[in-house]
Amino acid sequence: RKEVEQDPGPFNVPEGATVAFNCTYSNSASQSFFWYRQDCRKEPKLLMSVYSSGNEDGRFTAQLNRASQYISLLIRDSKLSDSATYLCVVNRAGANNLFFGTGTRLTVIP
Amino acid sequence: GAVVSQHPSRVICKSGTSVKIECRSLDFQATTMFWYRQFPKKSLMLMATSNEGSKATYEQGVEKDKFLINHASLTLSTLTVTSAHPEDSSFYICSARNGYEQYFGPGTRLTVT
Repeated sequence: RKEVEQDPGPFNVPEGATVAFNCTYSNSASQSFFWYRQDCRKEPKLLMSVYSSGNEDGRFTAQLNRASQYISLLIRDSKLSDSATYLCVVNRAGANNLFFGTGTRLTVIP
Repeated sequence: GAVVSQHPSRVICKSGTSVKIECRSLDFQATTMFWYRQFPKKSLMLMATSNEGSKATYEQGVEKDKFLINHASLTLSTLTVTSAHPEDSSFYICSARNGYEQYFGPGTRLTVT
């Protein structure tokens, strides 16, 4: 089973829509959780860390459910500039590196 | 966020030659840096973990003699692709940890002809 699993999409949504991505992780020892954004032919950029209590940054809300081992990202009022691949990323206790999901492709349509 | 630079951004080389890629943490010290490779429309794959002052740790299937990693200082790690072949053509990305968050360099697109 993969360390991190995501629906690859693609998600095609109109401007202004709300879209949610989910991600599951396999190892209950995972400690840190992140959402990264990667534009075509560019490096991943940290979008937000995900905390147990959930956190919000403008139009973006991240949630963590440790019992079910899943992480979510909600984007409200989608903008054209939100079009990108969103990577779910997990860091496991004792592992120095990050584990990446394959990413979910989002296209926001005018 | 923290800044990680990478150089060069693009390189085209002939088969059999070696290419060196530099990764620098510009505003923080990184005892550990990571090297990833990404093929088109595929996810990032960790190649190796670079530790300052000691040997790198390579992931299974990554040849340490082909992908030489040197992490001589707290702000610089280098990856040398030796005797490059066309199948080594890829997007190579380094990253460094600052606290518990990890930041990526802009990547190096390598094309081997």
